[in-house]
Amino acid sequence: KQEVTQIPAALSVPEGENLVLNCSFTDSAIYNLQWFRQDPGKGLTSLLLIQSSQREQTSGRLNASLDKSSGRSTLYIAASQPGDSATYLCAVIGNYGQNFVFGPGTRLSVLP
Amino acid sequence: DTEVTQTPKHLVMGMTNKKSLKCEQHMGHRAMYWYKQKAKKPPELMFVYSYEKLSINESVPSRFSPECPNSSLLNLHLHALQPEDSALYLCASSQFRDRSVNYGYTFGSGTRLTVV
Repeated sequence: KQEVTQIPAALSVPEGENLVLNCSFTDSAIYNLQWFRQDPGKGLTSLLLIQSSQREQTSGRLNASLDKSSGRSTLYIAASQPGDSATYLCAVIGNYGQNFVFGPGTRLSVLP
Repeated sequence: DTEVTQTPKHLVMGMTNKKSLKCEQHMGHRAMYWYKQKAKKPPELMFVYSYEKLSINESVPSRFSPECPNSSLLNLHLHALQPEDSALYLCASSQFRDRSVNYGYTFGSGTRLTVV
């Protein structure tokens, strides 16, 4: 059974820092991995989708990498801003039509 | 249109009430999902519809009744809920349910449900 973990559980940093959020999964037979952002009490906003054949994806100040063999993905946030404060969730979908499995999330607070 | 729209955004209901949550997408996605999310927890899958047919029910109590009247619309009918059912209910859609999910999931903004 696929299990997804995220480290750290919470992170508080001053504005301007570069950040790395980690996501680990136990079964490397994944089809894709998706990073989401969630503001308190709101829905999930898709940030980046990495297909299993890809190594990384970039969008603006965000860069996500995927290492299937080691069961890891990282989300890199450059030059963090207070508006980046949110919970970041990674989710994986398996090769055989399994549904999304979410990690528990990393709660990020960027202080002005 | 690249959105999943959920209504209402907030709902307060008594334990004897009947209410419905609505979810709509016009992206041509053929898989739609209901998730339940408690505070500070990740979303938990409730139901999956594929081509308007229920394909997964994650042992959800019968007081929750899903319905997919057409390929764009997904409803969740609520009856005789308990206070512990209070949560954020999220709807999502994807191109397909199987391994050809090339574009990931799109989530709605959710309905905040409070059962009193």
